[in-house]
Amino acid sequence: KAGVTQTPRYLIKTRGQQVTLSCSPISGHRSVSWYQQTPGQGLQFLFEYFSETQRNKGNFPGRFSGRQFSNSRSEMNVSTLELGDSALYLCASRDQGDRAEAFFGQGTRLTVV
Amino acid sequence: AQRVTQPEKLLSVFKGAPVELKCNYSYSGSPELFWYVQYSRQRLQLLLRHISRESIKGFTADLNKGETSFHLKKPFAQEEDSAMYYCALNSGGYQKVTFGTGTKLQVIP
Repeated sequence: KAGVTQTPRYLIKTRGQQVTLSCSPISGHRSVSWYQQTPGQGLQFLFEYFSETQRNKGNFPGRFSGRQFSNSRSEMNVSTLELGDSALYLCASRDQGDRAEAFFGQGTRLTVV
Repeated sequence: AQRVTQPEKLLSVFKGAPVELKCNYSYSGSPELFWYVQYSRQRLQLLLRHISRESIKGFTADLNKGETSFHLKKPFAQEEDSAMYYCALNSGGYQKVTFGTGTKLQVIP
């Protein structure tokens, strides 16, 4: 099976712009989670989608949003970008079992200038 | 609410020395604990899970429910063990997986 695929790998945006990141989970996985990874804060949970519904949400402002499509692919959108949004954004997919391990993508490196 | 605490941001050890990466959790039920590892320029990947009770790359971790800990141990550190390590808790059901803030392990040659 192909692994979790995230596109694009790198992005440079300016403050105030918006950005959309994409994640294709492992085939058959219906749960997709998004994380923000920074050197100072580690892995911070953004949200999780399951069967096109947001199942869990972290403590991020409303500028961060996401969605999941019927084929389980997910997108994450950040509007009105701020310098502090610069980070590695990771996507992880899980199988249906509620204690299944998470499989991570390589991430999208977002730089806001 | 569930929480995972990794008290050390950086742990430096000499090659051949024992390693212990600490992880404490708070959750009232029966969680499943994981250790994930991220080597330089590689994706975050599962190292081991407590339910498997196995040793991976010489690492072991025992779940201590009394102390609510899941420390990762290896008797003799190798240079290739240098990486970022994250402890994670999965409480099952519709709960999200909670990660600790991570510990960077640096093995000095």
